[in-house]
Amino acid sequence: NAGVTQTPKFRILKIGQSMTLQCTQDMNHNYMYWYRQDPGMGLKLIYYSVGAGITDKGEVPNGYNVSRSTTEDFPLRLELAAPSQTSVYFCASSWTSGDTGELFFGEGSRLTVL
Amino acid sequence: KNEVEQSPQNLTAQEGEFITINCSYSVGISALHWLQQHPGGGIVSLFMLSSGKKKHGRLIATINIQEKHSSLHITASHPRDSAVYICAVSGGNDMRFGAGTRLTVKP
Repeated sequence: NAGVTQTPKFRILKIGQSMTLQCTQDMNHNYMYWYRQDPGMGLKLIYYSVGAGITDKGEVPNGYNVSRSTTEDFPLRLELAAPSQTSVYFCASSWTSGDTGELFFGEGSRLTVL
Repeated sequence: KNEVEQSPQNLTAQEGEFITINCSYSVGISALHWLQQHPGGGIVSLFMLSSGKKKHGRLIATINIQEKHSSLHITASHPRDSAVYICAVSGGNDMRFGAGTRLTVKP
């Protein structure tokens, strides 16, 4: 089983460019999440989705957008990249919320904005 | 002050030692997760618990809801246990993460 697949693994962007981080899961999970991980800090929730067509903001949503047109896919869009968005991004999924569901993570995407 | 605090931040142990990593939180929670992040960066779930104690192989996780504290224990540690261990607490759709404890086990 592939689990949660993220692409790309690495990307360098120039300030002002845009890009999409792709996330796909093959476990038929309802819940999907995007986190960012900065050095020395805990993961921060950017956006989450509880099912196809439903998304909501997390703790640090500014500068990002998401969509959830299918159960499997949850892409994260960065518009007008800024150096503050340099980070490692993780996509995760779970069958139910974190209250009762185990989280499954992708391998991460390291983004550098110069 | 962070809502989820882990201690120690860094831990070096000799192979075979008993290891304890602590997690304290200041918010109400429905569940607590322990995660492992390997040097390559991937994150895997070790435990999810809302009360008591869970055991999986050489790993044991406990939680005290009244004291808002959880511990992760590793018995007979091995160099392959070297990783960052992350505590996360869940309340509804929100999850808050500790900064992690970096464990190095030397042979």
